Amino acid sequence: DTGVSQNPRHKITKRGQNVTFRCDPISEHNRLYWYRQTLGQGPEFLTYFQNEAQLEKSRLLSDRFSAERPKGSFSTLEIQRTEQGDSAMYLCASPTSFSGANVLTFGAGSRLTVL
Amino acid sequence: GNSVTQMEGPVTLSEEAFLTINCTYTATGYPSLFWYVQYPGEGLQLLLKATKADDKGSNKGFEATYRKETTSFHLEKGSVQVSDSAVYFCALSDHGGYQKVTFGTGTKLQVIP
Repeated sequence: DTGVSQNPRHKITKRGQNVTFRCDPISEHNRLYWYRQTLGQGPEFLTYFQNEAQLEKSRLLSDRFSAERPKGSFSTLEIQRTEQGDSAMYLCASPTSFSGANVLTFGAGSRLTVL
Repeated sequence: GNSVTQMEGPVTLSEEAFLTINCTYTATGYPSLFWYVQYPGEGLQLLLKATKADDKGSNKGFEATYRKETTSFHLEKGSVQVSDSAVYFCALSDHGGYQKVTFGTGTKLQVIP
């Protein structure tokens, strides 16, 4: 599979619970990005990995959020003590080539609903 | 910092009408510019890109020209179809060593038969 795979596709949880999302990126790329998209808005950058190293975190990523990429392959994004404001689509992306230029290819996303 | 401003939607057009979705940007240096599309129930897909001034990106009948003097990257299509109904996002990435992308808020397009 040459695409970016994310699961679960949908998660409904109660406020205060922990949730974890997984991303399996395009296999040959060492970079991986997480974005968040809320209703009616464009995606916003959360964090970025180069292999297993997390190189940048947005201020949107509060202490309740943690992302990992063990062994530089798949990545997980965990949200602890979820709040209703965490409800969003969480997107993972890998760099790919488009007409000779590097661009981002996104997965279908994991939609989180916090009740 | 970088930012992208695009026209608010929704935009409703009849089939075969001409489409323009305006996009302007603020960035330091010489960013790459993109249009992404999100069809109902699907993920983000890259529609077209331009990497330097005066470049024209094109795909599926859509076009956009990188205008550095006006910091714009307007999306156009000569004749829209019902299947073009989607949300369109203008975006940019700087050349800071990795492809961090900044998106606009999106413009919803609805094409009616």
